[in-house]
Amino acid sequence: AQRVTQPEKLLSVFKGAPVELKCNYSYSGSPELFWYVQYSRQRLQLLLRHISRESIKGFTADLNKGETSFHLKKPFAQEEDSAMYYCALTTSGTYKYIFGTGTRLKVLA
Amino acid sequence: KAGVTQTPRYLIKTRGQQVTLSCSPISGHRSVSWYQQTPGQGLQFLFEYFSETQRNKGNFPGRFSGRQFSNSRSEMNVSTLELGDSALYLCASSDQGSGNTEAFFGQGTRLTVV
Repeated sequence: AQRVTQPEKLLSVFKGAPVELKCNYSYSGSPELFWYVQYSRQRLQLLLRHISRESIKGFTADLNKGETSFHLKKPFAQEEDSAMYYCALTTSGTYKYIFGTGTRLKVLA
Repeated sequence: KAGVTQTPRYLIKTRGQQVTLSCSPISGHRSVSWYQQTPGQGLQFLFEYFSETQRNKGNFPGRFSGRQFSNSRSEMNVSTLELGDSALYLCASSDQGSGNTEAFFGQGTRLTVV
């Protein structure tokens, strides 16, 4: 069965500290992996996806097929990074997203 | 472009009633998906429509149904409401024509069943 696991419900870090939000998935085929973010009082929006291999707002994520992981990283957290982060996958050729339960990131001043 | 619009934003219904939620996708987007968001289960996929056809369906009872119109607008219906149906219902649209699988989400409809 397809599944996305985000083990941390809440992650608190100090401003300027490195951040790593963990995401593991299970899927037998070739999924497309995403990170979505929801800032306070805003709608859910795409942060980044593995196929574009880009850095958005200083965040990067590398797909590790051997460990079936897609962890989100940022070297220096900012207060404006405080938000709810969701890891998600879609299966090839579909628009059906499987979401993890989310990790709330709190960046402390 | 205007974003995905969901109406109404808030609903209060009584157990046993039925409810219809509406979603207007971004102009030009033909794929519309629906999700249920609850504190315990997170975001769970309900179904996806493309060109008025349901292409994918999640693991929800038959009380949950949907449809899509020729203008890509979509509605979701829940019949015989249960307390457990209280949730935030999110709609998302995608521009399949570009091959871009990014989902653009609406603000959601918060349904409370009493």
